[in-house]
Amino acid sequence: AQKITQTQPGMFVQEKEAVTLDCTYDTSDQSYGLFWYKQPSSGEMIFLIYQGSYDEQNATEGRYSLNFQKARKSANLVISASQLGDSAMYFCAMVITHGSSNTGKLIFGQGTTLQVKP
Amino acid sequence: NAGVTQTPKFQVLKTGQSMTLQCAQDMNHNSMYWYRQDPGMGLRLIYYSASEGTTDKGEVPNGYNVSRLNKREFSLRLESAAPSQTSVYFCASIEQGWYGYTFGSGTRLTVV
Repeated sequence: AQKITQTQPGMFVQEKEAVTLDCTYDTSDQSYGLFWYKQPSSGEMIFLIYQGSYDEQNATEGRYSLNFQKARKSANLVISASQLGDSAMYFCAMVITHGSSNTGKLIFGQGTTLQVKP
Repeated sequence: NAGVTQTPKFQVLKTGQSMTLQCAQDMNHNSMYWYRQDPGMGLRLIYYSASEGTTDKGEVPNGYNVSRLNKREFSLRLESAAPSQTSVYFCASIEQGWYGYTFGSGTRLTVV
């Protein structure tokens, strides 16, 4: 069975500083993808970044980067130069991309609430 | 705008009442999903439909039924609502070969 663990229920960061949100995952599948989503207080789910298990380079999208350490089964999100608008709930999620478990189902972590201080 | 449309956005039910949450996507996606979000637990999969004409149970299917009416529409039905079904419900769809979900805006359901 697959599992995502986010051990930080809440985080604070000063505006303009960088912050790392932790995510560890567990799967016996070799082919999978890892996502980060942002959920602001308005409630919508916003896609931030994706990393495939066979991607050799860490994914980056603007101020977001994914620190992918396959051997440690971690996929931490790094937000550089935090902004007040980054205050939100952040979810790490995994999908299996091959084999009988390739149904597109997302497995989510519990989420981390990030608050950016001015 | 293209995307996933969920109705209603808010609903209050009394215990034992039934209702159907509607979801429609206009992106020609094959696969559609229903998730529920509870505080401190992230999103959990209720049911999904990998393609038109098929549906399968997810992690928390008890108390729910689904219908994939056509390629566009995937509805979630609560036959006899219970307070434990108070939650935010998200519908989502994905494009074949890419796992970037498109989520609906959610339905906030309260069962009293």
